[in-house]
Amino acid sequence: GQQLNQSPQSMFIQEGEDVSMNCTSSSIFNTWLWYKQDPGEGPVLLIALYKAGELTSNGRLTAQFGITRKDSFLNISASIPSDVGIYFCAGHSGGSNYKLTFGKGTLLTVNP
Amino acid sequence: KAGVTQTPRYLIKTRGQQVTLSCSPISGHRSVSWYQQTPGQGLQFLFEYFSETQRNKGNFPGRFSGRQFSNSRSEMNVSTLELGDSALYLCASSVATNEKLFFGSGTQLSVL
Repeated sequence: GQQLNQSPQSMFIQEGEDVSMNCTSSSIFNTWLWYKQDPGEGPVLLIALYKAGELTSNGRLTAQFGITRKDSFLNISASIPSDVGIYFCAGHSGGSNYKLTFGKGTLLTVNP
Repeated sequence: KAGVTQTPRYLIKTRGQQVTLSCSPISGHRSVSWYQQTPGQGLQFLFEYFSETQRNKGNFPGRFSGRQFSNSRSEMNVSTLELGDSALYLCASSVATNEKLFFGSGTQLSVL
């Protein structure tokens, strides 16, 4: 089945620093989604990407759909303490495959 | 617009019992998906319903079942609970299949 490798598994950064994380897939995806999850809550959608090469921003967050369609990147600029949480990438290949495949997540800790 | 609502928020059951979880999607969303989240396995797809029909199913045993009603509300049932069923169960809705998912806060199930 489809597999998503998300890295890094965890990050410890200082407030104000920029952050980068990425996901790679074993197969081509038509859609990439990035979510953030706070403890005890469900994932919240941050950015959705639908086209290879697409670069989309949401405030301090920027995500890109890789040209090969097998990877995606999320960048957070000027991190703040409320950025703490687990970030997940997810993707699907469309067609009759209705389920999203999720990465294992990147745990982000921001030291004030 | 109200988000995805899951009830109950917390559940404690014992082995062998069964449990029913409920999910009310965002108004206008016809697709409901269920995911199991555990620290070790991450987010695992259970099944997806659209217009009262199960469209896709993950690799879970038959003890896990679900259904969707005409108003798009969905329930999932787990019979003969096992210790390993302890997890956060997340429901997500979307306008249609292969659209971006919006998650509820989840039901935290503990099996003792």
